Amino acid sequence: DAGVTQSPTHLIKTRGQQVTLRCSPKSGHDTVSWYQQALGQGPQFIFQYYEEEERQRGNFPDRFSGHQFPNYSSELNVNALLLGDSALYLCASSPSGYSYEQYFGPGTRLTVT
Amino acid sequence: QKEVEQDPGPLSVPEGAIVSLNCTYSNSAFQYFMWYRQYSRKGPELLMYTYSSGNKEDGRFTAQVDKSSKYISLFIRDSQPSDSATYLCAMSAILGGSQGNLIFGKGTKLSVKP
Repeated sequence: DAGVTQSPTHLIKTRGQQVTLRCSPKSGHDTVSWYQQALGQGPQFIFQYYEEEERQRGNFPDRFSGHQFPNYSSELNVNALLLGDSALYLCASSPSGYSYEQYFGPGTRLTVT
Repeated sequence: QKEVEQDPGPLSVPEGAIVSLNCTYSNSAFQYFMWYRQYSRKGPELLMYTYSSGNKEDGRFTAQVDKSSKYISLFIRDSQPSDSATYLCAMSAILGGSQGNLIFGKGTKLSVKP
């Protein structure tokens, strides 16, 4: 079992650019959640996808959008990047109805310059 | 007041010590309580989860939830240098019959010295 995988590992972007991060869930999981973790902070919930639809959303602007594919993999898109978007972006997967049992990937470290 | 409060430490203990990590929370709707371990530059790893109040034990780890005090704890017995990591508490409520998103504390950085 490969667990949750994310790509890329690291990314450096310039202010104003757009970025796409990718996530493949753990085998048997159909729900994907995305979190942003700033240095020295706990992860903050961005949104959750189930059955290819956004089911819940945290307090993040519309610049943050996502998508879930029929194979349950997911993408996080961030438009018009700001310096403050620099963080570790974590993807977590869980079985439907068991959102308390979320397993995280290694994350994508995004640096905006 | 933040929904979940966690002392960021750092906490340094000698090998073999019993470690106590704690979180307090303000939202009485939280029903699920989780502990994650995060090594430097890695994703969080789920250690344990507990539903509602009570204790749960898994090897050297014991999780306790006291909903009346809105206080949760993680105890690590016989701590090892490999336990050195940041420990995050997380909580979720039940919304419309399904679990909500996870709300995390800031994490406590633990160092176990040989």
